[in-house]
Amino acid sequence: ETGVTQSPTHLIKTRGQQVTLRCSSQSGHNTVSWYQQALGQGPQFIFQYYREEENGRGNFPPRFSGLQFPNYSSELNVNALELDDSALYLCASSPRGGGYGYTFGSGTRLTVV
Amino acid sequence: AQSVTQLGSHVSVSEGALVLLRCNYSSSVPPYLFWYVQYPNQGLQLLLKYTTGATLVKGINGFEAEFKKSETSFHLTKPSAHMSDAAEYFCAPMNTGFQKLVFGTGTRLLVSP
Repeated sequence: ETGVTQSPTHLIKTRGQQVTLRCSSQSGHNTVSWYQQALGQGPQFIFQYYREEENGRGNFPPRFSGLQFPNYSSELNVNALELDDSALYLCASSPRGGGYGYTFGSGTRLTVV
Repeated sequence: AQSVTQLGSHVSVSEGALVLLRCNYSSSVPPYLFWYVQYPNQGLQLLLKYTTGATLVKGINGFEAEFKKSETSFHLTKPSAHMSDAAEYFCAPMNTGFQKLVFGTGTRLLVSP
């Protein structure tokens, strides 16, 4: 079975621009979560989608938004990029909620200059 | 809200020595507790998972963790370190009431020959 795949792997953007990150969940997983991991820190929860609906959000501003599609893949959109948005963005998927454990992708490294 | 503390940002051991990585969660017992490992420039890999019931949990690569409710701890151990164990380790309880992972700041394990 394929795991969680994220694209692109690396990205450089200019402050003020917008970015879209993509995630394909593992087969059979209908729950997708996004995390931001700043350098030297643990991942921080951004939000989670279950069956195309956002069902939880962390302490991130509204310029962080997302989507989940009928095939359970997902997008993370960030508007008006700031330098502090530079981080590794991790996507994780799970079947029917998190009790089974989340499978993480390798992440997208976003650098804002 | 759930929180977690990982004592020691860096732990150094010699190859073949016991590995002990410490994790304490907040006072409320989480429904699930996880240990994840992160190798350089990669995503997170699930090592093991605690669910209500067994107190000693065995994971991959020879790791295990013991859940102690009285000490609010879930320390990770491995009897004999291998060079390939060098990585960042994260303890992550699941938030009660909503299934998001709460990560600590992580512990970097260094293994010397």
